[in-house]
Amino acid sequence: ETGVTQSPTHLIKTRGQQVTLRCSSQSGHNTVSWYQQALGQGPQFIFQYYREEENGRGNFPPRFSGLQFPNYSSELNVNALELDDSALYLCAWGEASIPNEKLFFGSGTQLSVL
Amino acid sequence: AQKVTQAQTEISVVEKEDVTLDCVYETRDTTYYLFWYKQPPSGELVFLIRRNSFDEQNEISGRYSWNFQKSTSSFNFTITASQVVDSAVYFCALSEAVLSRELSFGAGTTVTVRA
Repeated sequence: ETGVTQSPTHLIKTRGQQVTLRCSSQSGHNTVSWYQQALGQGPQFIFQYYREEENGRGNFPPRFSGLQFPNYSSELNVNALELDDSALYLCAWGEASIPNEKLFFGSGTQLSVL
Repeated sequence: AQKVTQAQTEISVVEKEDVTLDCVYETRDTTYYLFWYKQPPSGELVFLIRRNSFDEQNEISGRYSWNFQKSTSSFNFTITASQVVDSAVYFCALSEAVLSRELSFGAGTTVTVRA
């Protein structure tokens, strides 16, 4: 039990639509990262937020954006969905004062784009 | 370029057998961190171990052990006396920046332990 909750667990959208995925933590950690995991692959880093600002980004286009809120929650927004966006999206929380310490992951949101 | 390579896609063993998962990494940094995570069918990644680049001591935790060799850029993971509950996908990951949360994951190895 990691104390990280993601919603919804599953989502079906059509190409061109927009989607918002949510994540919350019970642990009080202050950094949140989002990862995209395609079927049969390892997770790919999308971005990281600390103190409600983005402070690291992987190789993902601007239509992937996020928010971090003071109540230990976060959102991932994806605009203009493409078929290749179909994947499991994982959020992970960590403690900024402990660099490279372990992350606490949620169970993910499975997004299907038709 | 692939920073973390897990050459074994799937491994199937019978309960009580030992299983070793290979991980080879690539980095130019002198300071880096290596991780192993377990992903059961429920989907969440569960932290198993972290090792920094200056600590080459092997580690044992119960039935789990890890062999870190900088000379071959490898960080292998062994499950001794495997159990059905060990069935999962195991990921090796690399973090290169001191303050970064960015993990570069390998493609994962699916371990199936049969009763």
